[in-house]
Amino acid sequence: EPEVTQTPSHQVTQMGQEVILRCVPISNHLYFYWYRQILGQKVEFLVSFYNNEISEKSEIFDDQFSVERPDGSNFTLKIRSTKLEDSAMYFCASIQTGTSGSIPQETQYFGPGTRLLVL
Amino acid sequence: AQKITQTQPGMFVQEKEAVTLDCTYDTSDPSYGLFWYKQPSSGEMIFLIYQGSYDQQNATEGRYSLNFQKARKSANLVISASQLGDSAMYFCAMRGNYNTDKLIFGTGTRLQVFP
Repeated sequence: EPEVTQTPSHQVTQMGQEVILRCVPISNHLYFYWYRQILGQKVEFLVSFYNNEISEKSEIFDDQFSVERPDGSNFTLKIRSTKLEDSAMYFCASIQTGTSGSIPQETQYFGPGTRLLVL
Repeated sequence: AQKITQTQPGMFVQEKEAVTLDCTYDTSDPSYGLFWYKQPSSGEMIFLIYQGSYDQQNATEGRYSLNFQKARKSANLVISASQLGDSAMYFCAMRGNYNTDKLIFGTGTRLQVFP
């Protein structure tokens, strides 16, 4: 069964450093998402991406964050200058189709996550 | 604004028994989708079950069923015949309206299954 993959599984970085989190969505999926989960808290939406552009972003997704689909398979989240509060689990998700005036039954499938620790 | 509420921070159930995890939601959208995800201690998010707001029947997936009560705005997850491997965090989530794909999650319920 196809699945979303993410690399690395764990990353430790120093405050102020740039990190790139990588995701390979399911191959025929067209809509991509990043979520984060601070330890012990609920999962929060960061950004959605379709057709090579951001379709929606949350308040968390400020200028320090960017997303890119550099080729036909990878989907990346970059944090330019990490802060201590960026320490979290970051999940990538994908679905085949998005909203189009109705709620499709396609489900967002999540990758295993990247656990980011900023020191 | 849309909101998901899970009022049970933790639940215990004995192996082979059934357990219900509560989820209530708030939305003004006429169309929405409700999801349950399982997060074991390893951290990944595993999709369990989906219920559409216009679905006439409650969703079922193996040992998982969703007790959908639209008028009460509740979407409780029922796990039948609990197994030790069901011990995990369970999140209820909602996707709503025509203009967004994002999922809004509840705070989760930690389920512990004991022998």
